[in-house]
Amino acid sequence: ETGVTQSPTHLIKTRGQQVTLRCSSQSGHNTVSWYQQALGQGPQFIFQYYREEENGRGNFPPRFSGLQFPNYSSELNVNALELDDSALYLCASSLVPPDTWNTEAFFGQGTRLTVV
Amino acid sequence: DAKTTQPTSMDCAEGRAANLPCNHSTISGNEYVYWYRQIHSQGPQYIIHGLKNNETNEMASLIITEDRKSSTLILPHATLRDTAVYYCIVRVPYNTDKLIFGTGTRLQVFP
Repeated sequence: ETGVTQSPTHLIKTRGQQVTLRCSSQSGHNTVSWYQQALGQGPQFIFQYYREEENGRGNFPPRFSGLQFPNYSSELNVNALELDDSALYLCASSLVPPDTWNTEAFFGQGTRLTVV
Repeated sequence: DAKTTQPTSMDCAEGRAANLPCNHSTISGNEYVYWYRQIHSQGPQYIIHGLKNNETNEMASLIITEDRKSSTLILPHATLRDTAVYYCIVRVPYNTDKLIFGTGTRLQVFP
């Protein structure tokens, strides 16, 4: 149990729709990252938010967007869903002190998104 | 970030030590070696990390070669619950804590 909770756990959407996934980070953590994990693959970095601002982005199109709120919880939004967006979406939180990024990330259980 | 090479799969008998190798021959001086594991249907779990010295915690030991081109994660007494995919990741902890995962090693612990 990491203290990182994601909702919903499972979701089915139709191609072209929009989806919002939510992540509640571990208490006191100031950084949230989102990852996409296709079946049989390792997780792929989507983007990261540090103190409510985007702090790095992976190779994902602009229809993947996010937010981090003042309580450091986060949302991942995906517009114009495609079949290839079917995957496990993972949220990870960490506490980044002022002087180092040498941190441990705590992952949630993920949201399984199926696009049909 | 430097790339890593890991065997696709390994087996280990319960109670024995599991030694998981990782090759990172292009690692640079300021890159750390991190290990995570992912048990089926769960999010990845942090295990251990190190720069150049060997490290040990309650879960595992990390042995990094002197030239830092490879490392070994050791689970001293593997249990069935250690069956998982193990990821070796190298990264520079600067400006971001993003993780670049490969395909990892699938460790199967058998009775």
